Amino acid sequence: GAGVSQSPSNKVTEKGKDVELRCDPISGHTALYWYRQSLGQGLEFLIYFQGNSAPDKSGLPSDRFSAERTGGSVSTLTIQRTQQEDSAVYLCASSIGQSEGYGYTFGSGTRLTVV
Amino acid sequence: AQSVAQPEDQVNVAEGNPLTVKCTYSVSGNPYLFWYVQYPNRGLQFLLKYITGDNLVKGSYGFEAEFNKSQTSFHLKKPSALVSDSALYFCAVKSGGSYIPTFGRGTSLIVHP
Repeated sequence: GAGVSQSPSNKVTEKGKDVELRCDPISGHTALYWYRQSLGQGLEFLIYFQGNSAPDKSGLPSDRFSAERTGGSVSTLTIQRTQQEDSAVYLCASSIGQSEGYGYTFGSGTRLTVV
Repeated sequence: AQSVAQPEDQVNVAEGNPLTVKCTYSVSGNPYLFWYVQYPNRGLQFLLKYITGDNLVKGSYGFEAEFNKSQTSFHLKKPSALVSDSALYFCAVKSGGSYIPTFGRGTSLIVHP
């Protein structure tokens, strides 16, 4: 597609439920990132995928968070047993590669509200 | 380790006046620096980047940024602000050895008519 697509745009869930957030990167972009944006906290790195390499999961805040990327394209971020502190905007970004010369294209995000 | 600081949570400026949004960074080795803008309910949009070369970088919508190695700064500037520039601005840094950019907390720019 022309840009990075994220779905759903908004998600309200009850505490304790599992949620799945989807990211469809730009075709041909091998690098994919998930960030979390909380009010006043800026962007918090969660996980990074590059091609078929093992992902960098160093930013995942707890073992309730996981992500996968199928076929080097679409990625799903899963949050199990959601907590109120998980409420945030989850942003996905993709890049054509690892080179420093390339920027990052962001999706519009998924606003998650845990009630 | 790499980090970036945006010391101002909010910047207010009158339309037509010059604006500056500040950013300082810390990295090992050469920095790769980026500015992004976020409008309400939207994702981040790329404005400009510094990789190497001229210290003054020109980007989208009339914005520019100056890389200052001695002060480890990469301030965003525009000679004449527009009300439509009102948005949240993020500075990001990446070291040559990292694949993951670190973003600042963001600065809210408010341009008054």
